[in-house]
Amino acid sequence: KNEVEQSPQNLTAQEGEFITINCSYSVGISALHWLQQHPGGGIVSLFMLSSGKKKHGRLIATINIQEKHSSLHITASHPRDSAVYICAVDYNTDKLIFGTGTRLQVFP
Amino acid sequence: NAGVMQNPRHLVRRRGQEARLRCSPMKGHSHVYWYRQLPEEGLKFMVYLQKENIIDESGMPKERFSAEFPKEGPSILRIQQVVRGDSAAYFCASSPYTSSGNTIYFGEGSWLTVV
Repeated sequence: KNEVEQSPQNLTAQEGEFITINCSYSVGISALHWLQQHPGGGIVSLFMLSSGKKKHGRLIATINIQEKHSSLHITASHPRDSAVYICAVDYNTDKLIFGTGTRLQVFP
Repeated sequence: NAGVMQNPRHLVRRRGQEARLRCSPMKGHSHVYWYRQLPEEGLKFMVYLQKENIIDESGMPKERFSAEFPKEGPSILRIQQVVRGDSAAYFCASSPYTSSGNTIYFGEGSWLTVV
C-alpha cells in the first residue's frame, strides 16, 4: 500500500533551535513535496524533491532515494515558523498522497 | 502573476443545499487538482482535471460530487445535497504540466460548513 509516514506528529521548540521533521514512503516515487500550512490558512509549497538536497533561506530539505526517506530541517527556528508541515508524495500517479502532518510550535 | 485563486473562502450551507467552489489556476496552468481536508484529518486527493477533461476522479465520492474545468473560466467543484460530513476545507492546486516531478501551487482553500 502506498503510504506516507511522518514524524513527529507534534514538536515544540525554543526559538533558535534546529528542527528536523522526517518523512518515509513505501515504494518508488516521481517526486516528494514539503508543504506548510498555518492554522486556518492556505498551503504553501516549500520544496519539490526528486533527489539530493535543496535549501531556501533557513529551510533545508533532503531526500535519500535508497532509504525512501526525506527530512525537512529548519535552522535557527523562529516563532513565525510555527505551522503544520506536511510531506506529500507522488507515486507516479499525478496525485499526491499526504502524510498526517507535523504540528510545530516555536516559543520565544 | 496571481496565484491560485479560490472562492469563496468560507461558505455556509444548510443540509440539502448545493455548494459550488471555484478555482482559477495560475496563469498558464492547465492542470488542476482538488483535495479535501476533513477536520483533524490529512489531505486527500479528490480529482485531477485538464481543460475540458477529467483525468482521474478516483478520490471523488460516487454520489453528489462533480467537478469540471471548462475551456473558459474557473474549475468548479460542485456538491449537491450537502450533508454535515461534507464540512471540510477544499483545496485547489494547479501546475503547468502533470504534477509528477513538477512544483504544484495551492490555493488558500475554501472552508465549507454545513449546518
